Amino acid sequence: NAGVTQTPKFQVLKTGQSMTLQCAQDMNHNSMYWYRQDPGMGLRLIYYSASEGTTDKGEVPNGYNVSRLNKREFSLRLESAAPSQTSVYFCASRPTSGGTQETQYFGPGTRLLVL
Amino acid sequence: GDSVTQMEGPVTLSEEAFLTINCTYTATGYPSLFWYVQYPGEGLQLLLKATKADDKGSNKGFEATYRKETTSFHLEKGSVQVSDSAVYFCALSETFSGNTPLVFGKGTRLSVIA
Repeated sequence: NAGVTQTPKFQVLKTGQSMTLQCAQDMNHNSMYWYRQDPGMGLRLIYYSASEGTTDKGEVPNGYNVSRLNKREFSLRLESAAPSQTSVYFCASRPTSGGTQETQYFGPGTRLLVL
Repeated sequence: GDSVTQMEGPVTLSEEAFLTINCTYTATGYPSLFWYVQYPGEGLQLLLKATKADDKGSNKGFEATYRKETTSFHLEKGSVQVSDSAVYFCALSETFSGNTPLVFGKGTRLSVIA
């Protein structure tokens, strides 16, 4: 099992450019999440998908869109990148069969710099 | 809503010192509690968890006990090593559904010096 994979690892964008961050998991998990991590701010939830076909806003959804393409894949799109979106982005997944005790599994992150 | 509060960092310790990182939570029900660790340049990984009151989670010499009476889940290690230098996150999972995301604290950076 590869677990949770993210592409790309690093990206530099100019203000106004668009891009899609890809995330895939091979653990057959129902739920998937996108977070951003900024210094001193911890993790902030952007969007999540409780199951295939559903998505919900998290704490900081503005400027982002998501697509739950199938059970494995959950992508995050920046339509018009801004310097404030410079951050490290983490994708995570979680099984739901065991209820609240289930663990979230994280990908290695995508480091994004918007100039 | 549910929340997690961790002690502010950074925490700097000498090798073989005793570590405590405080974590308290607010929840309406009986959550599961987690500690995650993030090593430099990596994603978060589960360190330990506890799913009910008085449970003790343990892993790699780290321990934390789920204290319902004080709504706490403090992380401890008796003798830290340089390799323990990382950011530690406390988190909880709401009672009502396994679908909702974990609620994370802001993280505590630990630096261990030789």
